[in-house]
Amino acid sequence: AQKVTQAQTEISVVEKEDVTLDCVYETRDTTYYLFWYKQPPSGELVFLIRRNSFDEQNEISGRYSWNFQKSTSSFNFTITASQVVDSAVYFCAIAYSGAGSYQLTFGKGTKLSVIP
Amino acid sequence: GAGVSQSPSNKVTEKGKDVELRCDPISGHTALYWYRQSLGQGLEFLIYFQGNSAPDKSGLPSDRFSAERTGGSVSTLTIQRTQQEDSAVYLCASSLGTGQGANEQFFGPGTRLTVL
Repeated sequence: AQKVTQAQTEISVVEKEDVTLDCVYETRDTTYYLFWYKQPPSGELVFLIRRNSFDEQNEISGRYSWNFQKSTSSFNFTITASQVVDSAVYFCAIAYSGAGSYQLTFGKGTKLSVIP
Repeated sequence: GAGVSQSPSNKVTEKGKDVELRCDPISGHTALYWYRQSLGQGLEFLIYFQGNSAPDKSGLPSDRFSAERTGGSVSTLTIQRTQQEDSAVYLCASSLGTGQGANEQFFGPGTRLTVL
């Protein structure tokens, strides 16, 4: 069974601060995929990143960066110089081939509030 | 190009009535997923379609839930004899085929179902 834990339910930061959202996953599979999605107040889930289990390279995209560590089963997400527009609920998710569907198992989400 | 569309955006129904929710995936996406999002349960997988293969129904919570996908495109999720606990946002997502692993899933805006 797959499981994703996002221990931080809510985080508040002041604009321009850096913030890291934690994600810990559990799986018995050797091949799996990790994702981050953003859900702004408008409600629509927006894809941010996908990582497969064989690629532990960290990734940076603008102000966003991701740190994938298989040794600790973590896939953390850092926003540098946060902005008010970053305010949203962020979900970490895992997918595996199981029944061939690669369905997403989501964490409970972390609500980020960036205060101006 | 057009994203995933869902209709209706909101549906209010009385307990015991049947409802149909519609999803139009992104053109060319062969994989289609239904999820639901509720305060208590978070984001949960319901059902998956891939091309002409038999759907993965492992996430459907009861036999009151069913879904079909006609012509490999539009999908309809049907809930019979609705109960108050069915109240949630029902999300549809589509992706390129899963033959080579998990691709990013693109989500629609959802249908908010309220059962009175």
